[in-house]
Amino acid sequence: EVQLVQSGAEVKKPGESLKISCQISGYRFTSYWIAWVRQMPGKGLEWMGIIYPGDSDTRYSPSFEGQVTISADKSTNTAYLQWSSLKTSDTATYFCARRGDSNNWYWWFDPWGQGTLVTVSS
Amino acid sequence: QSVLTQPPSASGTPGQRVSISCAGSSSNIGTNVVNWYQQLPGTAPKLLIYINDQRPSGVPDRFSGSKSGTSASLDISGLQSDDEADYYCAAWDDSLNGYVFGTGTKVSVL
Repeated sequence: EVQLVQSGAEVKKPGESLKISCQISGYRFTSYWIAWVRQMPGKGLEWMGIIYPGDSDTRYSPSFEGQVTISADKSTNTAYLQWSSLKTSDTATYFCARRGDSNNWYWWFDPWGQGTLVTVSS
Repeated sequence: QSVLTQPPSASGTPGQRVSISCAGSSSNIGTNVVNWYQQLPGTAPKLLIYINDQRPSGVPDRFSGSKSGTSASLDISGLQSDDEADYYCAAWDDSLNGYVFGTGTKVSVL
């Protein structure tokens, strides 16, 4: 069974750094793109970027370029999303999701991780 | 801000049919496949429709998708209380070189 299991909720202060994780199981980690998606409280879904763990090819949405770093560790089958200096506006739930098309012809995402709530408050 | 526009809400009584529209442009829906996601309250999004009109295993055939030009729609027939959720369309956008989600539609069962 394909599973994406995310790290637990975090409470941080503005200016602090953070790295959240998405551990996968049930398929070859290096063969599928992994995306990160933000959902601010009461708001819709925003695509942040993607990474191909096979060669670490990474692409960011213009809205998130320079604001976060997406990475992957092939040795632990884990994808990461990190911030070097959090802002209160980073308060949101963050989801990871796997590209669904094994042939890499079309874009859709399935399955999804359960989400990680990040709260940034002074 | 999203480049795919959906109505903020839709509603119906049990058993009725509800339709949700998704308006895009030539760089996204006009060129690439459309997907739909269902997000039940407090849970992660779940893939509902992929490649315009395909249902993943386990998704009831009450849910159907279609695409025409730069627009798409999701139909829910035989509405059930379990269908109360937020629904998002999505597609790859060639101009942005990224994946874009719709603004989301909250479906209520009256």
